[in-house]
Amino acid sequence: QVQLVGSGGGVVQPGRSLRLSCAASGFTFSSYAMHWVRQAPGKGLEWVALIWSDGGNKYYADSVKGRFSISRDNSKKTLYLQMNSLRAEDTAVYYCARMDVGVTGTIYYYNALDVWGQGTTVTVSS
Amino acid sequence: QSVLTQPPSVSGAPGQKVTISCTGSSSNIGAGYDVHWYQQLPGTAPKVLIYANNNRPLGVPDRFSGSKSGTSASLAITGLQAEDEADYYCQSYDSSLSGWVFGGGTKLTVL
Repeated sequence: QVQLVGSGGGVVQPGRSLRLSCAASGFTFSSYAMHWVRQAPGKGLEWVALIWSDGGNKYYADSVKGRFSISRDNSKKTLYLQMNSLRAEDTAVYYCARMDVGVTGTIYYYNALDVWGQGTTVTVSS
Repeated sequence: QSVLTQPPSVSGAPGQKVTISCTGSSSNIGAGYDVHWYQQLPGTAPKVLIYANNNRPLGVPDRFSGSKSGTSASLAITGLQAEDEADYYCQSYDSSLSGWVFGGGTKLTVL
């Protein structure tokens, strides 16, 4: 079945680094753009980053730009999020999610995030 | 402060109808980007409820419907059931931010 399984979360001290992974199965991973979305305790959803299906384009929320890096290995069907210089405000459940992108000429159509991982928890605390 | 604005909470009795609004701007909803809605039950990952403004994925009851007009979108839920109690989020793309944006979320309480 179509599935995303996130891993790599844990407790880390401020200023340290952590790498999250998201393993895909049941679909053609290389055909989809992939997102990381996070949710701080008791808060709403916050988009973090997106990587294009071929890894060619990457986009980041201002809150993580310069500190986080999204990447993917299509041969391993795995998405990554390298998180550096972590802060207390990065504490959250991190979800990976897939998104299909349609193109007509030069216009891109961004579909819904239709498959989500179960989430992996990152706690930044001393 | 979220780029897309939703009411923090709505409520309704079983069988009633509720509507959740999502207000954006000319750089997201008003620019023509699709709006998607997600339902998040406690302790679980979000699930797509409505995609591309007014389309339901297979398995989503027709009690759920979406609409979009100008810089706003709405999610309507008719025939409220206890199992509909959840958090609901709208989502779109913002060209000014070059990023994807969520509403702040709306907690639905079934009285």
